[in-house]
Amino acid sequence: GAGVSQSPSNKVTEKGKDVELRCDPISGHTALYWYRQRLGQGLEFLIYFQGNSAPDKSGLPSDRFSAERTGESVSTLTIQRTQQEDSAVYLCASSRRTGTGDYEQYFGPGTRLTVT
Amino acid sequence: AQTVTQSQPEMSVQEAETVTLSCTYDTSESDYYLFWYKQPPSRQMILVIRQEAYKQQNATENRFSVNFQKAAKSFSLKISDSQLGDAAMYFCAYRSANSGYALNFGKGTSLLVTP
Repeated sequence: GAGVSQSPSNKVTEKGKDVELRCDPISGHTALYWYRQRLGQGLEFLIYFQGNSAPDKSGLPSDRFSAERTGESVSTLTIQRTQQEDSAVYLCASSRRTGTGDYEQYFGPGTRLTVT
Repeated sequence: AQTVTQSQPEMSVQEAETVTLSCTYDTSESDYYLFWYKQPPSRQMILVIRQEAYKQQNATENRFSVNFQKAAKSFSLKISDSQLGDAAMYFCAYRSANSGYALNFGKGTSLLVTP
């Protein structure tokens, strides 16, 4: 079956503009995660959705960042008034509960955002 | 908050040889999961191997194995019979079993495989 997909693959935007990044999770996966990867760094957690529960937004770096997900389908990450420090690769992952109770996360290819 | 440290920014290995990537972590929890992910230039994160903290036996997946030392909070990855396709960034990650679902990642080790 299809893996996690993300669009666009690359996005160049001017400072101050808003951007929307999209994630299509694996069908049947109830959980969805957004991470940010700055150049030469590991991944930083941004936000987590589980089914219809309230999302865990504890990783969002500022109120310019927001994300939505309808049910167990597509998610969009929105960055308002982009700044140069927002330049990074934004990775999405999805998961379902495994038999051990652990959520194994499957990652998409990411969106590379460049703010000029 | 848990921290994950990878002290080797870059490593190099010859094809068919063995290489070990280091990872240490800091936590006060007793129940957690540890992972190694591979990230090739395509940016796709690929799970290589995982370890449950309650298991004493080290995980093994074909040419990949770990040395999990819980008391020392160490979780190294050994790659045997290295292949050119193993060249990538390798990230060590921690996830709590009891609170939250986010993965905490180290900064990564870039592995170069030479013919």
